[in-house]
Amino acid sequence: ESVLTQSPGTLSLSPGERATLSCRASQSVSSSYLAWYQQKPGQAPRLLIYGTSNRATGIPDRFSGSGSGTDFTLTISRLEPQDFAVYYCLQYGSSPLFTFGPGTKVDIK
Amino acid sequence: QVQLHESGPGLVKPSETLSLTCSVTGGSLSNYYWSWIRQFPGMGLEWIGYINYSGSNNYNPSLKSRITMSVDTSKNQFSLKMTSVSAADTAVYYCARGPRSGYCTSSSCFHVDYWGQGTLVTVSS
Repeated sequence: ESVLTQSPGTLSLSPGERATLSCRASQSVSSSYLAWYQQKPGQAPRLLIYGTSNRATGIPDRFSGSGSGTDFTLTISRLEPQDFAVYYCLQYGSSPLFTFGPGTKVDIK
Repeated sequence: QVQLHESGPGLVKPSETLSLTCSVTGGSLSNYYWSWIRQFPGMGLEWIGYINYSGSNNYNPSLKSRITMSVDTSKNQFSLKMTSVSAADTAVYYCARGPRSGYCTSSSCFHVDYWGQGTLVTVSS
């Protein structure tokens, strides 16, 4: 079973700053198999990025994804007030088929 | 626009069976697997399993002995049953669309995209 680790656990930043979130897998992951989600309190997770670097429909271009192998990154180029939330990475694997990372909370400094 | 909506009891007694149904509107059940995912009070997310329109399924091995999923294509619904629940099963349960079913190799195949709003299930006597 491949385990996902996200860092940092919490990222405290100001609006307008750049956010860099890390997702590391314990085993190599195909770039097609890595996605990122945003979750706000009381809401379901929302798909941001799929296949490592493809933005989902309606997602602004300040969100970008990159990475390969075991190391993947979600970057928010300039934080907007609505971007303060928890971010999860998800990998498609073998058993179990889907595994989520523990999340990174981006909060206002 | 695909929409999903979970329904079922919000309170289940320990050792009993949790039953949830997900209604899908704005699209058919074909071409995708349909997943159940839960989120514990500490915010961790766990994939429970998926099923497609023909009943083909895949369950999380950690839960496999206790779960059954089914599909009702006439109602555009799919369901989850989890037996012998305990307090550790208290969570928000989400239904979601994905991954794609059938032969699919592009990067658009291997994730969950649309989610229901979630339903809190509390296991308590």
